[in-house]
Amino acid sequence: ETGVTQSPTHLIKTRGQQVTLRCSSQSGHNTVSWYQQALGQGPQFIFQYYREEENGRGNFPPRFSGLQFPNYSSELNVNALELDDSALYLCASSSSGAQPQHFGDGTRLSIL
Amino acid sequence: GENVEQHPSTLSVQEGDSAVIKCTYSDSASNYFPWYKQELGKRPQLIIDIRSNVGEKKDQRIAVTLNKTAKHFSLHITETQPEDSAVYFCAAGGYNFNKFYFGSGTKLNVKP
Repeated sequence: ETGVTQSPTHLIKTRGQQVTLRCSSQSGHNTVSWYQQALGQGPQFIFQYYREEENGRGNFPPRFSGLQFPNYSSELNVNALELDDSALYLCASSSSGAQPQHFGDGTRLSIL
Repeated sequence: GENVEQHPSTLSVQEGDSAVIKCTYSDSASNYFPWYKQELGKRPQLIIDIRSNVGEKKDQRIAVTLNKTAKHFSLHITETQPEDSAVYFCAAGGYNFNKFYFGSGTKLNVKP
């Protein structure tokens, strides 16, 4: 069974740039959720994708957007990067039927 | 939306003692309450979860209790060991994770 994988591991960007983060869901999982974890804080829910549609969204502005592909992998896109976007971005996958979600190792994004 | 509060933010115990971490939530529609352990630089790992139709669940040294009326749930770790040292997060939301919220974390330090 393949776990949740995220790429890249680390990324450095400057203010105003755009970034795309990628996530491959665990085998058999059809739902992907994205979280932002600032240093010393709990993960904050960004949004969830199910069957290629956004299925729920937290309190994040529209410059945070996403995609899910037919193979259930997903991308998180962030436009007009701000310094406060520096964080660990976690992806978690789950399957329908009330099973727990499983996290990837995250992408550490630093904004200079 | 959901608001999850967690305390204490730090907890220091002697090896062999018990540790208790408490969380409250605001959305009465939440029906799934997991606890995660996150070691430095690593992904959150599910350690135990409880669903709204259950009041208590145990797994070896770890137990979780849920009081739906009061909207609070707690993590209990007995016979703590140095390897239990980590940050613990509670979370609350629905079974499908489309609105899922974490507490701010408790840093547990188990002194040998």
